[in-house]
Amino acid sequence: RKEVEQDPGPFNVPEGATVAFNCTYSNSASQSFFWYRQDCRKEPKLLMSVYSSGNEDGRFTAQLNRASQYISLLIRDSKLSDSATYLCVVILRFMDMGRRALTFGSGTRLQVQP
Amino acid sequence: GAGVSQSPRYKVAKRGQDVALRCDPISGHVSLFWYQQALGQGPEFLTYFQNEAQLDKSGLPSDRFFAERPEGSVSTLKIQRTQQEDSAVYLCASIQGPHQGSTEAFFGQGTRLTVV
Repeated sequence: RKEVEQDPGPFNVPEGATVAFNCTYSNSASQSFFWYRQDCRKEPKLLMSVYSSGNEDGRFTAQLNRASQYISLLIRDSKLSDSATYLCVVILRFMDMGRRALTFGSGTRLQVQP
Repeated sequence: GAGVSQSPRYKVAKRGQDVALRCDPISGHVSLFWYQQALGQGPEFLTYFQNEAQLDKSGLPSDRFFAERPEGSVSTLKIQRTQQEDSAVYLCASIQGPHQGSTEAFFGQGTRLTVV
């Protein structure tokens, strides 16, 4: 089983729709969680961090459920420009020396259609 | 620099050729990661540096892969005797921490390696 799992999609939704992605992680000692966005043939870029209390940035809401070991991303009123791959990122290790390893999910592809 | 810089952007190598990929992280960033991203997949961890120390190389797929960061800034990923399965995008990321600062990872644009 992969340490971080995502539904690969693709999710094909019409403009204005609300869409939600989930990401599950297997290591209960995971420290930090992020959503990154990756456009075709581009590098990943940070979309938002994910906190236990949940956080919202405009049309985007991210939530963390530590008990069930998953994070979610909700996109409201989706735009054509939201079409991309959304990568779940988990920081798994934080040892005394501060060693960290970011682990990525395989990404969920979103295609917003007119 | 303003961001993470990788070079070359594209590299075509003949099977068996050695290649060297360069990463210039954001100045002052302590942590540096290399990832391999195959088409349609998420990035897969290769190796991690904290300053000049390579603390984790568990993701390197074979002993043909070697990475270094001798002065704690620029890093080079070397692949010897390239094989077709090495074809992928190689991403470099840096983080300011671990002990202080932001945990946001900044990525370079990647080097797309094609082995023919």
